[in-house]
Amino acid sequence: GEDVEQSLFLSVREGDSSVINCTYTDSSSTYLYWYKQEPGAGLQLLTYIFSNMDMKQDQRLTVLLNKKDKHLSLRIADTQTGDSAIYFCAETHSEGGKLIFGQGTELSVKP
Amino acid sequence: DGGITQSPKYLFRKEGQNVTLSCEQNLNHDAMYWYRQDPGQGLRLIYYSQIVNDFQKGDIAEGYSVSREKKESFPLTVTSAQKNPTAFYLCASRHSGRADEQFFGPGTRLTVL
Repeated sequence: GEDVEQSLFLSVREGDSSVINCTYTDSSSTYLYWYKQEPGAGLQLLTYIFSNMDMKQDQRLTVLLNKKDKHLSLRIADTQTGDSAIYFCAETHSEGGKLIFGQGTELSVKP
Repeated sequence: DGGITQSPKYLFRKEGQNVTLSCEQNLNHDAMYWYRQDPGQGLRLIYYSQIVNDFQKGDIAEGYSVSREKKESFPLTVTSAQKNPTAFYLCASRHSGRADEQFFGPGTRLTVL
């Protein structure tokens, strides 16, 4: 079955890099996504990676995909206090385009 | 401005009452989704609709119902049969093109007293 796993918490200092990790099980996923959720709000798509790519960089964000190990990571460079939020990874499912989400990683950035 | 709206932001209901959550989008997206979020858990899919007048159950459909009479609207009814309805409900619609991206509304927090 489908399952996406993330660690629940990460704490970093302002200016450091943050790395949030995710493992997934459905090797047929076309896209893998990273969403950000601020308190009491909906989800905002940060970035995505196509399944035939190994890496994607978008300003401070770097996504790495290891298909062999089914491992996805999101690196945030020069982490700021405004980056404090919950980060979800998600994979697509072939049925109806639905997304399978991880539990979310709460990132806390300390000044 | 294009986007997804959900109303109300906060909703309080007594146990045993049905309640309907609104979701509207003006993005001209065909597919729409309802998710439930509980603390410390990811989003779980309740129902989804790929086209008007058609919808499918997600992973946790029991105690919920939906309709899709118009492309722009996908209301969710939480019925009295839902055993633990207090949660944060998120609606999304999907862009059938660039990366199949799902756009999310701001959510409705339902509290059943």
